[in-house]
Amino acid sequence: AQKITQTQPGMFVQEKEAVTLDCTYDTSDQSYGLFWYKQPSSGEMIFLIYQGSYDEQNATEGRYSLNFQKARKSANLVISASQLGDSAMYFCAMRELGSMDTGRRALTFGSGTRLQVQP
Amino acid sequence: NAGVTQTPKFQVLKTGQSMTLQCAQDMNHEYMSWYRQDPGMGLRLIHYSVGAGITDQGEVPNGYNVSRSTTEDFPLRLLSAAPSQTSVYFCASSHRGGDAGELFFGEGSRLTVL
Repeated sequence: AQKITQTQPGMFVQEKEAVTLDCTYDTSDQSYGLFWYKQPSSGEMIFLIYQGSYDEQNATEGRYSLNFQKARKSANLVISASQLGDSAMYFCAMRELGSMDTGRRALTFGSGTRLQVQP
Repeated sequence: NAGVTQTPKFQVLKTGQSMTLQCAQDMNHEYMSWYRQDPGMGLRLIHYSVGAGITDQGEVPNGYNVSRSTTEDFPLRLLSAAPSQTSVYFCASSHRGGDAGELFFGEGSRLTVL
């Protein structure tokens, strides 16, 4: 079963507008971590933001925030005031922390969303 | 700051050839892993290691071999390359696989198997 689902293969946003990238996850663990990574056209993977399952506040990092809705198992990334440099692939990922099985603790990625910021 | 270093960045192989993708990190991370990235499929875990001398299989291990003789190095070997192994490969490391630590990625290695 897919553990991380990103339903938007591609998104467009106007420069300076906000955009939300969707991510839903599936786990039976109570303890887990959610990550977002950015992959620009140059190919490197850039860590953006992290949310722990027990964190009561939504994570924020500059223009990035994570809209964490635990009951709905969603961890959407919100980018405020989009910039042309935000054009990239964005990956949601999860690590399950409730198991001693080190394999389950590996980071599992969604299929990604390609964001294009238009001037 | 070197971080995670992968070599080579590009490689073309013929079917049946073998090769090794090198990965080294200088952050004293216990956890290291290899992913492959294919269009529309995100990153899939090939093999991982939680420390020197300890390796285990991920989601897509067939056709690949790894070893971890030192904390710093985690090479990925393709035993007999197949066109299905054409992909971009990423090595990544973190302090531990069981906590909230982010993964630090290498720049990727693009492999084409003809």
